[in-house]
Amino acid sequence: DSGVTQTPKHLITATGQRVTLRCSPRSGDLSVYWYQQSLDQGLQFLIQYYNGEERAKGNILERFSAQQFPDLHSELNLSSLELGDSALYFCASSRNVGGSSDTQYFGPGTRLTVL
Amino acid sequence: GENVEQHPSTLSVQEGDSAVIKCTYSDSASNYFPWYKQELGKRPQLIIDIRSNVGEKKDQRIAVTLNKTAKHFSLHITETQPEDSAVYFCAASPNTGGFKTIFGAGTRLFVKA
Repeated sequence: DSGVTQTPKHLITATGQRVTLRCSPRSGDLSVYWYQQSLDQGLQFLIQYYNGEERAKGNILERFSAQQFPDLHSELNLSSLELGDSALYFCASSRNVGGSSDTQYFGPGTRLTVL
Repeated sequence: GENVEQHPSTLSVQEGDSAVIKCTYSDSASNYFPWYKQELGKRPQLIIDIRSNVGEKKDQRIAVTLNKTAKHFSLHITETQPEDSAVYFCAASPNTGGFKTIFGAGTRLFVKA
């Protein structure tokens, strides 16, 4: 157990809908990262928040947004869902802002299925 | 943009043999290189990492080497066991700008008993 928690574990929804994924970082970690992993694919970096502010952005679609709250938990919002959005969404956290001073620890993931 | 290439995509070895996975990165600002192991349906777990001021690091049966000039780094697993079967991801992270960690596409390792 990495100490990073994600809810829900599974989510099934229909095209066009909107969902919210939640992540709580390890105690003391200030950065939260979101990744998308499609079936048998690698990890695509979506976005990073550090202490409440957006720090780095990857291949995140405009239909997706995220935020980090004062208690450091983070939410990833996915809207106007398409079949291709079906994937495993991982959250990771690290102690500091990132780079060589940090190690990312992954949560168990949320499996999103869009029907 | 930044890119990490990982080879091979699939690797099958006999139990007890060694396995080597290689990665190449493009961003010269990268200075942190973690390796993650992901078992089926589970989270990626850090198994070893190396920072740019070190050329090699070893932890029991696992070792990682880094060649910053060539922008190559490799994972070496010796005396492989069936429980080593998993997908392995390399990653490169810069210490500047947005600190984006870029992952390789993964290597599916099969260790045959």
